[in-house]
Amino acid sequence: DQQVKQNSPSLSVQEGRISILNCDYTNSMFDYFLWYKKYPAEGPTFLISISSIKDKNEDGRFTVFLNKSAKHLSLHIVPSQPGDSAVYFCAASAGGGNNDMRFGAGTRLTVKP
Amino acid sequence: DAGVIQSPRHEVTEMGQEVTLRCKPISGHNSLFWYRQTMMRGLELLIYFNNNVPIDDSGMPEDRFSAKMPNASFSTLKIQPSEPRDSAVYFCASSSTGGPYQPQHFGDGTRLSIL
Repeated sequence: DQQVKQNSPSLSVQEGRISILNCDYTNSMFDYFLWYKKYPAEGPTFLISISSIKDKNEDGRFTVFLNKSAKHLSLHIVPSQPGDSAVYFCAASAGGGNNDMRFGAGTRLTVKP
Repeated sequence: DAGVIQSPRHEVTEMGQEVTLRCKPISGHNSLFWYRQTMMRGLELLIYFNNNVPIDDSGMPEDRFSAKMPNASFSTLKIQPSEPRDSAVYFCASSSTGGPYQPQHFGDGTRLSIL
């Protein structure tokens, strides 16, 4: 049972434009959400997170938006750069101090020069 | 600062053989996670430990899979006997539970191929 879903397996955008990656979740107990970035032959690396008490968190070119009523979050990258080309995983946690997370299947982003 | 270290990076073996994957978490981290990545299901959590104690192993596919954490600096994931459908990339991650919502830090994975 996939509690975290990334319905777009891939996304292609032009350099300089905005990239929007989407994620949906089903478990209403999730209260913390993260985005990870993964390059080939490497492990995922933490990118940005958001707590359920917020609806937006920004870090440089990266912004995560959370819509709790829709159980939906998105990652915006502006402007997109070729080095952003990677697989992006959405993850969610119900907290409780265990840091147990559930991941989506990932979206492969390609930024074309 | 050393990150999570996994070994081997690649493993190719024949069906029926025992496979052991190893992980050294980041020093000071007290939670350790094993994941499996496949094209169909993305990153699946197999098992995780807090303070060397297994907390949730509900993601372990079947009895052929076992994991141990004998001390704070070492964990193994064992598959015996291995089958071709076990072929995947296996990741280990660690985090600190010193405060809420600590991101997990991943190793570079072990690419396992069962022939």
